[in-house]
Parts: sequence; structure tokens; C-alpha cells
Amino acid sequence: RKEVEQDPGPFNVPEGATVAFNCTYSNSASQSFFWYRQDCRKEPKLLMSVYSSGNEDGRFTAQLNRASQYISLLIRDSKLSDSATYLCVVNMNKRKLIFGAGTRLAVHP
Amino acid sequence: NAGVTQTPKFRILKIGQSMTLQCTQDMNHNYMYWYRQDPGMGLKLIYYSVGAGITDKGEVPNGYNVSRSTTEDFPLRLELAAPSQTSVYFCASSYSMGGYNEQFFGPGTRLTVL
Repeated sequence: RKEVEQDPGPFNVPEGATVAFNCTYSNSASQSFFWYRQDCRKEPKLLMSVYSSGNEDGRFTAQLNRASQYISLLIRDSKLSDSATYLCVVNMNKRKLIFGAGTRLAVHP
Repeated sequence: NAGVTQTPKFRILKIGQSMTLQCTQDMNHNYMYWYRQDPGMGLKLIYYSVGAGITDKGEVPNGYNVSRSTTEDFPLRLELAAPSQTSVYFCASSYSMGGYNEQFFGPGTRLTVL
């Protein structure tokens, strides 16, 4: 089993749609969680950290479920500019970030 | 601030050749990392450094070497290039390693070994 697993997609959605991605992780001792965004042929950039209580940043909401070992990202009112690959990242211990392979989102007019 | 810069952007090597990928950051971060990203795969950690003079292996260190003589620079050396090293290489830095500290990435180096 991979340490961090994501549905690769692609998720093809129209503008204005709500879309959700899940990510599962294998190590129950994982300490911190993130969503990074990666545009085509570009470097990853931090989208948001995921806190135990969940957190929201504008149209983006991240949730953590420690019991089931998954994190989620919800995007409301999708924009064309949201088209990208979303990477789930888990901090297994202080010296190791594990990156998922990413979920590709394509928002169309 | 330029952030994290990497050179070159692209490179084609022949099998057995050597090269150094350069990485520089101007954020005074202690922690620096090298990752490789293969198509359809997550980033894999090659080496990391917690400060000048201190480096350690990541998940996939074989075939690579690093050094960290200054806070700003963290070059990655390929000694005998192999086709399996064809990948996109990202350098990153962060203020610290634990907790919710963001990693800042450079633009990447696309390496092809033929």
C-alpha cells in the first residue's frame, strides 16, 4: 500500500461546480497535512495546511479525518484558473514529507 | 526576493556523463531539499540539509551527491548519469522542518539522459 494515495483523475468539471478530492495515508502517526497545487510543468506551491479542526480559505475547504486516515479538499464555485494538479502531502515525521502523485482537475467553460 | 532559483532549466546528458544542478535560496532558510518527480508519480526526496555543513539521505539517494557549504546554496551532483535519472528535479527550502512550515520550491530542472 502506498504511503499516500490519491485518485489521479482527471476530474473534468464545468465552471461553477463544486468538486472534492480525497487522499488516504497509511501511517497513523502522521503529524501534519497539506494540499499543494502544481500547474502544468511548474513547481508545487502550498495551497493550504490541513488542521485537525478543518480549515477554510475562500472557496477552498480542507478536512482531516484521523480515524479513517484521510484528508479532503473541497473547491466551491470552480474557476478556469483552478485547473491544476492537487498534491496531498503528509508529514510522517519531522524529517520526511510524503507527496501523493496528485489529482488532476480540469475546469471547462 | 528571488526565492529559490535553479539552473539549468533543461539539460540533456549522455549515459555516463556528470553534471551539477545548482540551487540557491535567498530567504535565509536553514532547511533545503532535493526532490525528483517522475511522470505520474509523487515527488521523491533525494537528499536534504538542515544547515550549512549538514546533509542527509532521503528516499532515493543512489547515484547522487550533495554538499552544503553555505546557507544559500545546495548543489546536487550526478556522477555517472543513467537513463533512470531522467526526471524533473526540484529544489526546495523551508524555515524549519516540523509542524506546518511551508516548503518553497524552485522552478525545476528537466533532465534527460540518453
